Amino acid sequence: LAKTTQPISMDSYEGQEVNITCSHNNIATNDYITWYQQFPSQGPRFIIQGYKTKVTNEVASLFIPADRKSSTLSLPRVSLSDTAVYYCLVVGLGGYQKVTFGTGTKLQVIP
Amino acid sequence: DTEVTQTPKHLVMGMTNKKSLKCEQHMGHRAMYWYKQKAKKPPELMFVYSYEKLSINESVPSRFSPECPNSSLLNLHLHALQPEDSALYLCASSLGTGQWGGNIQYFGAGTRLSVL
Repeated sequence: LAKTTQPISMDSYEGQEVNITCSHNNIATNDYITWYQQFPSQGPRFIIQGYKTKVTNEVASLFIPADRKSSTLSLPRVSLSDTAVYYCLVVGLGGYQKVTFGTGTKLQVIP
Repeated sequence: DTEVTQTPKHLVMGMTNKKSLKCEQHMGHRAMYWYKQKAKKPPELMFVYSYEKLSINESVPSRFSPECPNSSLLNLHLHALQPEDSALYLCASSLGTGQWGGNIQYFGAGTRLSVL
């Protein structure tokens, strides 16, 4: 399983763009980079998934360089409600997945 | 509908009790998971079921006993737990196939378990 490394915590002011980086040096050819958001006492919620280059959906963008050894989750114009823990996972595309959560990044949005 | 329902939301039990946690999904997913999450820690995988068969057991103590009665339901039977087993127990499901998006896990809100 590819191990991921993220910053433990980040602070940002409301309205700013936030970029959270994740390192995954041992990513395999069949692995996808997947990001989850978790609020206290709730289950993680899927945000975005990508394989290479750039992926964008209604809540975030994901940038993946050609070597795929890192990725960056970009949250545009964050609000207080974006305060949460963000997990970067490397997940294969098999029938089921043995997923290992890293420490995640605790994002604190400041008014 | 991407909902995974867990019951109960909260559970308090003594060390000699027997209780069960329940998880239900109606998305047609064929892979279901149990995770344990301690405060301020990431979720830890406990069990994985694929097509109703136990596929992964992460060396979980036998006082935790999973069961998958059908493709929509997942139970976790608890017996003779210890106070250190107090945690948030999360259920998740994924499509269970090799197609694009099939590896995305959808989580329930969890059961907050306290063992006295």
